[in-house]
Amino acid sequence: GQQVMQIPQYQHVQEGEDFTTYCNSSTTLSNIQWYKQRPGGHPVFLIQLVKSGEVKKQKRLTFQFGEAKKNSSLHITATQTTDVGTYFCVMKTSYDKVIFGPGTSLSVIP
Amino acid sequence: EAGVTQSPTHLIKTRGQQATLRCSPISGHTSVYWYQQALGLGLQFLLWYDEGEERNRGNFPPRFSGRQFPNYSSELNVNALELEDSALYLCASTRTGRGFYEQYFGPGTRLTVT
Repeated sequence: GQQVMQIPQYQHVQEGEDFTTYCNSSTTLSNIQWYKQRPGGHPVFLIQLVKSGEVKKQKRLTFQFGEAKKNSSLHITATQTTDVGTYFCVMKTSYDKVIFGPGTSLSVIP
Repeated sequence: EAGVTQSPTHLIKTRGQQATLRCSPISGHTSVYWYQQALGLGLQFLLWYDEGEERNRGNFPPRFSGRQFPNYSSELNVNALELEDSALYLCASTRTGRGFYEQYFGPGTRLTVT
């Protein structure tokens, strides 16, 4: 079946450093979503990407969808302690099953 | 606008018992998804209900079941509880089941099986 990988699994950064997480799918995607889950919280929607090569920005966050629509990335510029949490990429298969990537857990050292 | 609500917040059961978890979607949303998140792990897709029908299920045994009511609220039932069923159960709603839309999550029900 369809598989999704996210790297890295964990990332520890100094406050102010940049952070990037990568999401790779074994199959071509129609679209992809990104969610953030704070420790002890529930996932919160960040963005959805639909077009090949699409790049979207939200303040310090930059999201990219690969040209082949099989991978995506989330980049955070100048991390802050409020960025702490786990970032998940999410996709829906052609069989209408939702797959959450394993997530990248971000720690920010003040 | 009220968000997605789930009850109970916590649930403690003994192995072999049954658990019932409830979810109320955002008003106007017709689609409800259920996920299991074991401690320190990612979210595993359990069930998807839309317009009162079960549309799909993840790779879980049949003892995980549920339903969606005419008001679009949903119930997840777990029969013959096993220790490994201990997890956070999250539900999420979307405004429609067609396509792939932003999911709004509830706070979850923490199920502990002893």
